[in-house]
Amino acid sequence: DAGVIQSPRHEVTEMGQEVTLRCKPISGHNSLFWYRQTMMRGLELLIYFNNNVPIDDSGMPEDRFSAKMPNASFSTLKIQPSEPRDSAVYFCASSRGTDSPLHFGNGTRLTVT
Amino acid sequence: GQQLNQSPQSMFIQEGEDVSMNCTSSSIFNTWLWYKQDPGEGPVLLIALYKAGELTSNGRLTAQFGITRKDSFLNISASIPSDVGIYFCAGQRSGRGSTLGRLYFGRGTQLTVWP
Repeated sequence: DAGVIQSPRHEVTEMGQEVTLRCKPISGHNSLFWYRQTMMRGLELLIYFNNNVPIDDSGMPEDRFSAKMPNASFSTLKIQPSEPRDSAVYFCASSRGTDSPLHFGNGTRLTVT
Repeated sequence: GQQLNQSPQSMFIQEGEDVSMNCTSSSIFNTWLWYKQDPGEGPVLLIALYKAGELTSNGRLTAQFGITRKDSFLNISASIPSDVGIYFCAGQRSGRGSTLGRLYFGRGTQLTVWP
């Protein structure tokens, strides 16, 4: 079991640039979650997918953020344009579905200067 | 949104001591989970609880699902330096709608263990 794989591990970009974060969930898991972690706000759910369909995107901060899941083994979170306040660690997690625990990737640390 | 109140916020203990932390909610959950996060890594699942009143152990860790379904605690016995990290509680509901599968996290307990 390779676990949830995220890339890149670190991303440093300038304000205004587009940022794309990638996630490969655990094979066989049909739910995928994007979280953001900051000191101020802790772990915040941004969006989650069930069977590749977005179910709840109420946590997406604003229109600059978008997420896609084109197939069961890949998801992206895009920020365009990025701003310094987007600096955080972004985690992807997957689970087998309802009532199943989440398994997290190691995160992408994003710094926007 | 949903809030889980986790306490204490931080703990500084000596190696060998026992640790206890807890989590409360104003709403009922059907599943309680405890995660540990090491620096530079994602949270890792320690214990999952699925039934009110359930007491589950995983090595030196013991966790309980409160009978009211609104709380849970985690105990660590005989702490060691590698127990250092941030411990998160999380509650999960099952059911229809957008909350399906959604986890609500506490703010975490930062544990420091002195040798």
